[in-house]
Amino acid sequence: DTGVSQDPRHKITKRGQNVTFRCDPISEHNRLYWYRQTLGQGPEFLTYFQNEAQLEKSRLLSDRFSAERPKGSFSTLEIQRTEQGDSAMYLCASSPPFRVSYNEQFFGPGTRLTVL
Amino acid sequence: GNSVTQMEGPVTLSEEAFLTINCTYTATGYPSLFWYVQYPGEGLQLLLKATKADDKGSNKGFEATYRKETTSFHLEKGSVQVSDSAVYFCALGGITGGGNKLTFGTGTQLKVEL
Repeated sequence: DTGVSQDPRHKITKRGQNVTFRCDPISEHNRLYWYRQTLGQGPEFLTYFQNEAQLEKSRLLSDRFSAERPKGSFSTLEIQRTEQGDSAMYLCASSPPFRVSYNEQFFGPGTRLTVL
Repeated sequence: GNSVTQMEGPVTLSEEAFLTINCTYTATGYPSLFWYVQYPGEGLQLLLKATKADDKGSNKGFEATYRKETTSFHLEKGSVQVSDSAVYFCALGGITGGGNKLTFGTGTQLKVEL
């Protein structure tokens, strides 16, 4: 039983560059979440997918951020024109269908982004 | 909106000491409450949860009771071990569009020494 996987685990980029992260949820989990965690803080919600539909986006998700889940399986999070303030750990989590367990989320190891 | 406040760390204890990490919340409706743990170099893991008032979540010797009257979900363990050293996050779940957006506290680092 594989857990949630994220790729890459670490990304260093220069300010102004675009970056894309990938998340592969647990098989048959139809719900997928992205969070951002900065040093010394708890994770903050960014966005939520149910299957391929993006049902909620946080105000934290500026126009430079876009997330997709084209086939309802893996998801990507893209940040355009990165800024130093984007440096953080980006976490992905997935959940089984609501009827199975409406509130338990399983987290991946995260992608640590450093913007120079 | 929803918010979670938990005690600041680090909390340093000797092995076999009693642990309490305080957590209070503000929420509309009836959220579920969680404790997640993050061991060094690892991802977040669900430690325990409670879905309604007066529920007690428990796992690995840790316990927390959902207290609606005091809006609290304090984490306790009777005898900590060095292996319990980690960062502990209190979180509440808000149902949204069939999902469950989690709102986390800032985390409390626990250090257990021999």
